[in-house]
Amino acid sequence: KAGVTQTPRYLIKTRGQQVTLSCSPISGHRSVSWYQQTPGQGLQFLFEYFSETQRNKGNFPGRFSGRQFSNSRSEMNVSTLELGDSALYLCASSFGTGLTGELFFGEGSRLTVL
Amino acid sequence: KQEVTQIPAALSVPEGENLVLNCSFTDSAIYNLQWFRQDPGKGLTSLLLIQSSQREQTSGRLNASLDKSSGRSTLYIAASQPGDSATYLCAATLMEYGNKLVFGAGTILRVKS
Repeated sequence: KAGVTQTPRYLIKTRGQQVTLSCSPISGHRSVSWYQQTPGQGLQFLFEYFSETQRNKGNFPGRFSGRQFSNSRSEMNVSTLELGDSALYLCASSFGTGLTGELFFGEGSRLTVL
Repeated sequence: KQEVTQIPAALSVPEGENLVLNCSFTDSAIYNLQWFRQDPGKGLTSLLLIQSSQREQTSGRLNASLDKSSGRSTLYIAASQPGDSATYLCAATLMEYGNKLVFGAGTILRVKS
């Protein structure tokens, strides 16, 4: 069965712009979580959605937001981009919630902010 | 304070060697711990998931153990191969941190042929 699909894979934006990233989970998975990976901070949890509800949120500013649709697909949005937002953004899906389910990751969306 | 710590940061071994990667966490109240591998520029591949009620999990040449009382997990790789070269990450769902998944910084493994 198809894995977790993230689009776009690569994108370049300038400071002040906004960006929307998309994640399609494995069929049947209801939980989607998002992570930011940078060389300096490593992998950091952004938020988790389960059945269209945000269940948990990491320590990121309000410029980072997300949502989940009824088909479990999820989007995350970053507004007023800053240079420090350049990172690999990964999403993961699981059948159960993040508390118990094995996570399956997509290939990521690499964002460069100029 | 680093909630999840991985030692060593990097490891280089000859092919065929058995090796152990270490992961320690600050909160004994965990829901689960998961080991991943990441190839350069790629996403994460799940290797093993250990629930808090379990002591170990095995998959092929990989064995992961969990000791909640000491706050430690180990990933044992038997008969290492060049294809095992990657970054290995452990991640724990910690109650102290709002049930969020917390990642270690990873161990970069190179297996020389």
